[in-house]
Amino acid sequence: DTEVTQTPKHLVMGMTNKKSLKCEQHMGHRAMYWYKQKAKKPPELMFVYSYEKLSINESVPSRFSPECPNSSLLNLHLHALQPEDSALYLCASSPGLDGSYEQYFGPGTRLTVT
Amino acid sequence: EDQVTQSPEALRLQEGESSSLNCSYTVSGLRGLFWYRQDPGKGPEFLFTLYSAGEEKEKERLKATLTKKESFLHITAPKPEDSATYLCAVLPYNTDKLIFGTGTRLQVFP
Repeated sequence: DTEVTQTPKHLVMGMTNKKSLKCEQHMGHRAMYWYKQKAKKPPELMFVYSYEKLSINESVPSRFSPECPNSSLLNLHLHALQPEDSALYLCASSPGLDGSYEQYFGPGTRLTVT
Repeated sequence: EDQVTQSPEALRLQEGESSSLNCSYTVSGLRGLFWYRQDPGKGPEFLFTLYSAGEEKEKERLKATLTKKESFLHITAPKPEDSATYLCAVLPYNTDKLIFGTGTRLQVFP
């Protein structure tokens, strides 16, 4: 089973709201990722967690705050977002070792900031 | 600088009309090259990993090949359900960051 789950599927929030996106995988993968994807563009990396520690932050604004509570869960906390942050937010996970580096993506959360 | 270029940007095929998608890459050291399929509004679906020049992988109507500078995704006798965006990505050594191409939007008409 190579399933990554994400909740919610859709989220509409105002610029003053605080919300969180959730991602879960039960494949024992070492690495977990957050991506942002705009229409007709490839996914854009935001954060990488490796063994539950933040290993890559692609200079993402502080209104996005990642959290990895354990090896199966990844959260993205959102606060004071801007309309231009509206996008599809994707979570992915990867074994990331022993010659197995493919990333498996979740279905995404469609975020609209009003 | 690590870079991935995909061509064509868009491709329209008649059902049954075979073709190939191209992914050209420059990378300091290739740990792996990956192909994904993405339907509108959904997450990318993993298709293949290729690790070394000369390697080939097949799945149903799709076949991926790799050379030292490019990869091809061959689609044999496509069906309308093969319509999607196909993304190519490379993983350099010493990083967890995938470098994506901009994708090829494939439309297959009955």
